[in-house]
Amino acid sequence: DIVMTQSPESLAVSLGERATFNCKSSQSVLYSSDNKNYLAWYQQKPGQPPKLLIYWASTRESGLPDRFSGSGSGTDFTLTISSLQAEDVAVYYCLQYYSTPWTFGQGTKVEIK
Amino acid sequence: QVQLQQSGPGLVKPSQTLSLTCAISGDSVSSNSATWNWIRQSPSRGLEWLGRTYLRSKWYNDYAPSVRSRITINPDTSKNQFSLQLNFVSPEDTAVYYCARRGAATLDYWGQGTLVTVSS
Repeated sequence: DIVMTQSPESLAVSLGERATFNCKSSQSVLYSSDNKNYLAWYQQKPGQPPKLLIYWASTRESGLPDRFSGSGSGTDFTLTISSLQAEDVAVYYCLQYYSTPWTFGQGTKVEIK
Repeated sequence: QVQLQQSGPGLVKPSQTLSLTCAISGDSVSSNSATWNWIRQSPSRGLEWLGRTYLRSKWYNDYAPSVRSRITINPDTSKNQFSLQLNFVSPEDTAVYYCARRGAATLDYWGQGTLVTVSS
């Protein structure tokens, strides 16, 4: 199984400031035949299912504010919120869908400082 | 707009079978591009992908090794839904269970979640 490791476990950021968190996979999730990274980012708020934010490591889901961006390739990935808003308080998960069993990171909890 | 509506009991006794159903609207379980997945979430195990069913020229299933000996995911084309059965449950199977669609890229639409508690 591919192990996904997220850091940090939690992050406190002031409103309007940048939040950056990371996801590392135990093996590459870059598929050579299509040159796509099979990596997604989700946001989860209490009592709700995860919400897809980013797929193919850097493609924003339709309607997602452009303050959210994803980057990285191979085994190292980053989700950035350029200007944290109050509604961004949540837990963020990465998911590799390169090979089954698909695996999630343990999450990064984002709070307001 | 795709919607997934989960149903099933919230309490299951140890050693019995957990059964959940996910009704699909806005897409078809027989889609030749989507896959239909079950995921669970618990404090101890985090988010855990359990398995999927999908139709390409025939029906396929893939299951996570952690549950492979106990799990069945079945499509029901007559009702446009799919189901999860997990046999011989223990308290470690207590979790929120989600169904989800994999669309063009990854898991994009999710059910509302069902808390299943395994307890006598």
